[in-house]
Amino acid sequence: DIVMTQSPDSLAVSVGEWATINCKSSQSVLDSSNNKNYLAWYQQKPGQPPKLLIYWASTRESGVSDRFSGSGSGTDFTLTISSLQAEDVAVYYCQQYYTTPQGTFGQGTKVEIK
Amino acid sequence: QVQLVQSGAEVKKPGSSVKVSCRASGGTFSNYAISWVRQAPGQGLEWMGGIIPIFGTPNYAQKFQGRVTITADESTNTAYMEVSSLRSDDTAVYYCARVVRAVDYYHYMDIWGKGTTVTVSS
Repeated sequence: DIVMTQSPDSLAVSVGEWATINCKSSQSVLDSSNNKNYLAWYQQKPGQPPKLLIYWASTRESGVSDRFSGSGSGTDFTLTISSLQAEDVAVYYCQQYYTTPQGTFGQGTKVEIK
Repeated sequence: QVQLVQSGAEVKKPGSSVKVSCRASGGTFSNYAISWVRQAPGQGLEWMGGIIPIFGTPNYAQKFQGRVTITADESTNTAYMEVSSLRSDDTAVYYCARVVRAVDYYHYMDIWGKGTTVTVSS
């Protein structure tokens, strides 16, 4: 099984500052046949279901603020939140879907306001 | 816009079963898969299994094989997940999610239900 490890487990960022969350997979999730990274990011606010933010490692879901961006390839990925807002307080999860059908999630990173 | 409408909260005794439903409102499952993901209190997300309704064959995480049954009814755009032999550590929020797929390859989950809280307590 591919293990997804996020870092840090939590971070506190001032409003207007950048937040960076890392996600590392135990093996590559890049499909060389189509050059796609099988990696998604989700946001989960308290009491709500997860919400898709990013898929294919860097494609933003329709309607998601452009303050959210994804990058990386192979085994190392990053979710960046530029100019953090109060409404961005949430837990963020990465998920690999390279292994089908069971995609595995990272343990989550909690983002709070400093 | 498609929404996934899940059944209501359940309280169950240890050893019993629970069946949770997930209905697509405003659309169909036709071109998608449905996954079930659970979240224990204060914990992360755990994929339990899924089904591509037009194919009908479910897939399960090894951990849940034999104790979880996933089905789908295309005529009503409803998916079901039944968990048997419930234990206290099955207490969790159970989510269904629509999965973008390519043939039988599951990709990312683009729409999620609001979740069904299942509490297992004697």
